[in-house]
Amino acid sequence: DSGVTQTPKHLITATGQRVTLRCSPRSGDLSVYWYQQSLDQGLQFLIQYYNGEERAKGNILERFSAQQFPDLHSELNLSSLELGDSALYFCASSVASGSAEQYFGPGTRLTVT
Amino acid sequence: GENVEQHPSTLSVQEGDSAVIKCTYSDSASNYFPWYKQELGKRPQLIIDIRSNVGEKKDQRIAVTLNKTAKHFSLHITETQPEDSAVYFCAASIGNSGYALNFGKGTSLLVTP
Repeated sequence: DSGVTQTPKHLITATGQRVTLRCSPRSGDLSVYWYQQSLDQGLQFLIQYYNGEERAKGNILERFSAQQFPDLHSELNLSSLELGDSALYFCASSVASGSAEQYFGPGTRLTVT
Repeated sequence: GENVEQHPSTLSVQEGDSAVIKCTYSDSASNYFPWYKQELGKRPQLIIDIRSNVGEKKDQRIAVTLNKTAKHFSLHITETQPEDSAVYFCAASIGNSGYALNFGKGTSLLVTP
């Protein structure tokens, strides 16, 4: 157990819908990263937050957005869902103050039908 | 975007043999290179990492080498055991991003008894 939690574990929804994925980092970690894992694209970096502020942006679609709250949990919002958005979504956390090690949560498996 | 190439995509070894997985990266600003192990249906787990100011690092049966000039890094597993069977991912930090990671496509390692 990495200490990073994600909810829900599984999510099944229809095309065009909107969902919110939640992540709680390890105690004391200020930085949260979101990654998408799919069979064709592999593990791709989406976005990073550090202490409530957006720190870096990767291959995140405009239909996707994220935020990190004062209690440091983070939410990834996916809207206008398409079949191709079906994937495993992981968050990872790190102290991010001289420490690069990222610890992954268990992931949320999103299925868009 | 910057890429991380990983080879081979599959690797089968006999128990007790060594396994080597190689990666190359293109981002000159990358300075952190972790390796993750992912078992089926599980989260990626950090197994070892190396920073750009170090050429080699070892942890029991696992070692990582880095050639920053050639932009190559490798994972070496000695005395492999069946429980080493998993998918292994290399990654390189995205320059100036606060350690967000670009991942390789993964190597599926099978260790047969």
